[in-house]
Formats: sequence, C-alpha cells, structure tokens
Amino acid sequence: EAQVTQNPRYLITVTGKKLTVTCSQNMNHEYMSWYRQDPGLGLRQIYYSMNVEVTDKGDVPEGYKVSRKEKRNFPLILESPSPNQTSLYFCASSYRGQGSNQPQHFGDGTRLSIL
Amino acid sequence: DQQVKQNSPSLSVQEGRISILNCDYTNSMFDYFLWYKKYPAEGPTFLISISSIKDKNEDGRFTVFLNKSAKHLSLHIVPSQPGDSAVYFCAASTPGTYKYIFGTGTRLKVLA
Repeated sequence: EAQVTQNPRYLITVTGKKLTVTCSQNMNHEYMSWYRQDPGLGLRQIYYSMNVEVTDKGDVPEGYKVSRKEKRNFPLILESPSPNQTSLYFCASSYRGQGSNQPQHFGDGTRLSIL
Repeated sequence: DQQVKQNSPSLSVQEGRISILNCDYTNSMFDYFLWYKKYPAEGPTFLISISSIKDKNEDGRFTVFLNKSAKHLSLHIVPSQPGDSAVYFCAASTPGTYKYIFGTGTRLKVLA
C-alpha cells in the first residue's frame, strides 16, 4: 500500500530535549516536505526537499533541521525544542514532475507537545 | 501576511445541494492551485488542482473555478454528500520553487 509513515504519532517532551520525527515514503517520490498545522494558521511549510541531498526552507524553518540522505526518508529534527513548537506536524511526498501541481501524499500527522 | 486566505472558517450545507468553498490570494505569480480535504486524525488528501492558465477544472462532483482578475478561486461540490464533511484547504505554489502556501481551511458540514 502506498503510504507516508510518520513516527511517533504523539510525543510529549520538555524544552531543550532534542527530538527527531521520522518520515518514510514507499512511492519512490523525489519531493518531500514538512508542514505544521496550528489553529487559525492552517498548514505552513517548514522545509522541503527536491531530491536526495537537496533541501530548502519553507515559510517557517526557524528551530528545525532536516536531512535527506535517502530518497525514502526525510526526518525532521528539533535540536532544542521550545513550547512554541507545540503543534501538529505533517510529512508529505510527491513526484516532482514538470511543475508544482503534483498532488502531495500526506502522513497521518505527529502531535508534538513541548512543555 | 497571509497570501492565501479562506475567509469562511465553516460552512453548513444540506445533503444534495451545492457546496461552494472560497479562497482568495494576493500573489499573482502563483502558477498552480490545489484543494485538499482533511478528515480528523488523518493527513490531508488531494482533491483537485488547476493551473493558473485555466479558469475551470472538473473532476466528477468537484469543480474548481479560477478568476485571475479577482485573485479568487472556488471549489464547487455538487451534489454534496455527508461523506464530504471535512476541512478543506486551498493551496498555491510559486513557480520554480515548489514552495506551497496553504489557506487556513474551511470546515464543511453536510447535513443529512
């Protein structure tokens, strides 16, 4: 089954304790991206990756790191989490195609609470 | 500065009637617009898209209209079904960047 898998689904942690949210896709997609969803703000793009070893900032990259060492994986790293990073996070992937109209496939989300 | 706006947080429609969800944008350089549907505890799923060079795209019960002069797009669902009850996000992409800007979402409730 084609899917984007995020882990963990839920995490409660404390300020400053490094954490990683993993994302894996089995569709051989070139493009992968991370979003956060907050009430009243919709989905905001954090980072995206066009292919292995190619990443770029979205609209809200501060406080986050990513890496793309393999095509299928795109982990999101919070080196020193703070309470304002409490949010619902989504990973997505798509074919890169000829334009940016390729539909993205989303994971089911990771709810992070930073105390 | 919200470049993509969905000004109606919620909408209720009777089953069988038309649902119209609206989205306004400010950046005339956006080249594609996409609609996603999201159920609780799930990730968004792609619904339909439209290129900025078109003014209409249709897929079954779903039609998206684009009015470039007004910087406005709308999603029409006809006929609406209870299973369409979800949050709908519009999204826009900037050419050559693969960056996506999402709206804040509209919660649609289709009443049986």
